[in-house]
Amino acid sequence: GDKVKQSPSALSLQEGTNSALRCNFSIAATTVQWFLQNPRGSLINLFYLVPGTKENGRLKSAFDSKESYSTLHIRDAQLEDSGTYFCAADSDTNAYKVIFGKGTHLHVLP
Amino acid sequence: AQTIHQWPVAEIKAVGSPLSLGCTIKGKSSPNLYWYWQATGGTLQQLFYSITVGQVESVVQLNLSASRPKDDQFILSTEKLLLSHSGFYLCAWSPQFNQAPLFGEGTRLSVL
Repeated sequence: GDKVKQSPSALSLQEGTNSALRCNFSIAATTVQWFLQNPRGSLINLFYLVPGTKENGRLKSAFDSKESYSTLHIRDAQLEDSGTYFCAADSDTNAYKVIFGKGTHLHVLP
Repeated sequence: AQTIHQWPVAEIKAVGSPLSLGCTIKGKSSPNLYWYWQATGGTLQQLFYSITVGQVESVVQLNLSASRPKDDQFILSTEKLLLSHSGFYLCAWSPQFNQAPLFGEGTRLSVL
């Protein structure tokens, strides 16, 4: 099975609403990263997390290593938040290796 | 300020032909460097990483190779392309391994 499982696979949101994306891990991840890929393909790193939480503007992310999951909360969704969100966890055998989830396709509707 | 530049922006190549993709980082010495690949509509896979000049570690075997001939340069190559090599290739760097990577704009490769 997938070592990094993202949910949901796709999501449509009305502008101004809130949502949460989730990653579950079947590996002993020590760090988690969240990325946004825009329609052009460019990848932007949103968060780099050790266990705990981080917040940046309308985005907030949490990583619970004991329960093996991470969440990304989007508050007051805007049109420019549309894209594909990926989470990635470091491999439990090599901290330099990361394993990506399959992504959540987010579409924010006007 | 640090900059990362990938080339070419896009390539169309024939099956069996050679490939060389490049990535240059300016403004940072001894960066950690990474190559990633994304099949069209698919997820990302880390291909290689390099901590120092001349040392490259393979993460996924895709009949590709990578080299780091200079501190600021990372090259992805193969002598014979396969159809399965089509996709989007991203180079990234980080100051240290436990810091977030910053990505180049990517190279879109079509193998026909």
